[in-house]
Amino acid sequence: AQSVTQLDSHVSVSEGTPVLLRCNYSSSYSPSLFWYVQHPNKGLQLLLKYTSAATLVKGINGFEAEFKKSETSFHLTKPSAHMSDAAEYFCVVSEGNSGYALNFGKGTSLLVTP
Amino acid sequence: DGGITQSPKYLFRKEGQNVTLSCEQNLNHDAMYWYRQDPGQGLRLIYYSQIVNDFQKGDIAEGYSVSREKKESFPLTVTSAQKNPTAFYLCASSLRGEGSNQPQHFGDGTRLSIL
Repeated sequence: AQSVTQLDSHVSVSEGTPVLLRCNYSSSYSPSLFWYVQHPNKGLQLLLKYTSAATLVKGINGFEAEFKKSETSFHLTKPSAHMSDAAEYFCVVSEGNSGYALNFGKGTSLLVTP
Repeated sequence: DGGITQSPKYLFRKEGQNVTLSCEQNLNHDAMYWYRQDPGQGLRLIYYSQIVNDFQKGDIAEGYSVSREKKESFPLTVTSAQKNPTAFYLCASSLRGEGSNQPQHFGDGTRLSIL
């Protein structure tokens, strides 16, 4: 069985400071992991994905995430927050034996203050 | 531009009424999905289809129905049996490929409310 836990429902940072959004997962098999971003009243946009290649994954808009198997974590980071980064972020896990099913975390709302 | 189009953006349902949400994609993806999003709960899978004329129930299929007569289209009907239909509905598509490692592409959603 697979599951994903986003450890913070809300994160607030100042513009120009680092962003850290935390995600832990559980999986019986080698998982694929994704981060998506959702702006208000919009669909989800893929930020990055991990599929058992390099453990440090670079995504769009300066975001990156590191897969740590020993800690079962896939935290999302960005060195310097921009006002446009304010949105809802979802960590997602998928297992090879679950077909096409994605398992979504409950989301982290990122607030960026001037 | 290739993408997924959901319509309408806002929809209102009367008690006892069925309503249909449209989802069209021009990405040439084989697989399509419907999710329901409620505040603070992430996304939950309603139905998915890997190929034309075939679809499977997701985690919360009760009160919903779908069809997949064309590769490009995957409409969702919210029936009167769905007692709490107020939510944001998202359609997605992906390549089949290896399945689990294919990212899904999302439409901009339909917000359904009860009158």
